[in-house]
Amino acid sequence: DSGVTQTPKHLITATGQRVTLRCSPRSGDLSVYWYQQSLDQGLQFLIHYYNGEERAKGNILERFSAQQFPDLHSELNLSSLELGDSALYFCASSVATGGRNSPLHFGNGTRLTVT
Amino acid sequence: QKEVEQDPGPLSVPEGAIVSLNCTYSNSAFQYFMWYRQYSRKGPELLMYTYSSGNKEDGRFTAQVDKSSKYISLFIRDSQPSDSATYLCAMIIQGAQKLVFGQGTRLTINP
Repeated sequence: DSGVTQTPKHLITATGQRVTLRCSPRSGDLSVYWYQQSLDQGLQFLIHYYNGEERAKGNILERFSAQQFPDLHSELNLSSLELGDSALYFCASSVATGGRNSPLHFGNGTRLTVT
Repeated sequence: QKEVEQDPGPLSVPEGAIVSLNCTYSNSAFQYFMWYRQYSRKGPELLMYTYSSGNKEDGRFTAQVDKSSKYISLFIRDSQPSDSATYLCAMIIQGAQKLVFGQGTRLTINP
């Protein structure tokens, strides 16, 4: 168990809808990362928060947004959902901002299916 | 060209064999290298973490980094059926905000 908790485990929703994915990092970790994993794209970096502040954006669509709250949990909001948004969404946490002595630890993901 | 290249396999070997998994990268600024193991329907699990050229051993696993060739490897000795999973290499630049992953190699160890 990595200590990173993601809810829900599964989500099935229709096109055009909005969903919220939740992540609780490991105790003591200040950084939260969101990744999307699909069969053809592998693990793609979406966004990184450190202690409540956005630090970096990757290939995140404008329809997607995230935030990290004062208690350090994070939420990823996906809106106007399309079939192509169906994927596994992973949250990872680390003590600092990645790199030396700060590897990422992943949760078990939320499987999103858009029908 | 992708920043990190990893042969997606699939790779199938008999139990007890030595497995070699490899990644190449193009950006010489990558400084820290990781190997993750991902079982079906689970999140990636950190296996090995290294930041210098050379070998690092942990039980049956050895991570090797050759920065001059931009090449990293993971060796699994005495492979077990429980090692069957997808193995992902990942790397990061000091101070950068994102871990860059390879495509992952799907490995099956046959009893």
